Amino acid sequence: AQSVAQPEDQVNVAEGNPLTVKCTYSVSGNPYLFWYVQYPNRGLQFLLKYITGDNLVKGSYGFEAEFNKSQTSFHLKKPSALVSDSALYFCAVRPRNNNDMRFGAGTRLTVKP
Amino acid sequence: GAVVSQHPSRVICKSGTSVKIECRSLDFQATTMFWYRQFPKQSLMLMATSNEGSKATYEQGVEKDKFLINHASLTLSTLTVTSAHPEDSSFYICSATRDRGPNEQFFGPGTRLTVL
Repeated sequence: AQSVAQPEDQVNVAEGNPLTVKCTYSVSGNPYLFWYVQYPNRGLQFLLKYITGDNLVKGSYGFEAEFNKSQTSFHLKKPSALVSDSALYFCAVRPRNNNDMRFGAGTRLTVKP
Repeated sequence: GAVVSQHPSRVICKSGTSVKIECRSLDFQATTMFWYRQFPKQSLMLMATSNEGSKATYEQGVEKDKFLINHASLTLSTLTVTSAHPEDSSFYICSATRDRGPNEQFFGPGTRLTVL
């Protein structure tokens, strides 16, 4: 069975500092990997995805994620956090042979001024 | 491009009534649409997957007769919560994929259902 783990319920960083939101997965084969962000009472917004190729993926709003096959991780990063980055972040995985996307439990990021 | 809308954004109903939520892909044809349920401070739980013109595939534990899904066209899917009860109160989110490639799902803004 496929699963996605976001080990941290909450991440707090100061504005201007780098941020990392962790994600590990357990899916057979080489899945597609995604990060989404959710603001209060809103749907999810796509940030970035990993399909193949370069392990460092750049996405929206200055976010990037690093795919590590040996550690089955796909951590989300940003070099300098903004207060407006405060939101709920979801990691998701999807097998290559179907549309069955599974989400992690979410990590609430709080960036303090 | 790739905008998904949901209507209504918020609905309050009495226990025992049925509520219909619409999900539309506004500027693309959606090969597949998904319905999720999200409880407060929790992740999204996939309820069902639907393809246009065919029956929805429900996840284990989701009652088909309770949550009726109709995917009438390539741009519209509806979720009807039948005989709603307070425990059905939740945030319902739909999403759609544009084609069969490795593309992201495009999410609607969600519908907040409150059953009194």
